[in-house]
Amino acid sequence: EIVLTQSPATLSLSPGERATLSCRASQSVSVYLAWYQQKPGQAPRLLIYDASNRATGIPARFSGSGSGTDFTLTISSLEPEDFAVYYCQQRSNWPRGTFGQGTKLEIK
Amino acid sequence: QVQLVQSGAEVKRPGASVKVSCKASGYTFTTYAISWVRQAPGQGLEWMGWINPYNGNTNYAQKLQGRVTMTTDTSTRTAYMELRSLRSDDMAVYYCARDSARDGYNLWGQGTLVTVSS
Repeated sequence: EIVLTQSPATLSLSPGERATLSCRASQSVSVYLAWYQQKPGQAPRLLIYDASNRATGIPARFSGSGSGTDFTLTISSLEPEDFAVYYCQQRSNWPRGTFGQGTKLEIK
Repeated sequence: QVQLVQSGAEVKRPGASVKVSCKASGYTFTTYAISWVRQAPGQGLEWMGWINPYNGNTNYAQKLQGRVTMTTDTSTRTAYMELRSLRSDDMAVYYCARDSARDGYNLWGQGTLVTVSS
């Protein structure tokens, strides 16, 4: 089973700052990695698929990069509504789709 | 309107079964698979399994094999997830999600809270 490890567990930043979130896979997942955002009491929302493609309606400040085992989600300039929990999900052995444990992005 | 609407919250005794529904609207139901994901209180997301409404094919998480069954009714555009022999650690919010093989879970239900308590 592919294990995804996200870091850091918690990231404390201020609005306007740049956020960099990491996701590392226990074996190569090629580019088959997605990122989701989840706010309290809400279902997750797809942000990025295939490592670097923004989903429909996702602002350009969100970007993804990486391949193989190391991936990054970058939020270029944080808006107040971006403070949430972020999950990565591997899709290399689709339809199975394991998730990372999440990174909480909180306001400093 | 493109949406997935799930059934309401459930309270079950340990050892019982629960069946959660997920009704699709606004798109061709058989074009996309449905995945089920759960989230225990304060915890992360756990992939449970997948069903293709077009042909009924399923794929379940190994830890749930034998306790979970996913089905669909194409006449009502509804997917179902049944979990049997409930334990306290099955207490969670259960989500259905539309699974586009191309771009991931691009549509989610609102979630169904399943409480397991004696």
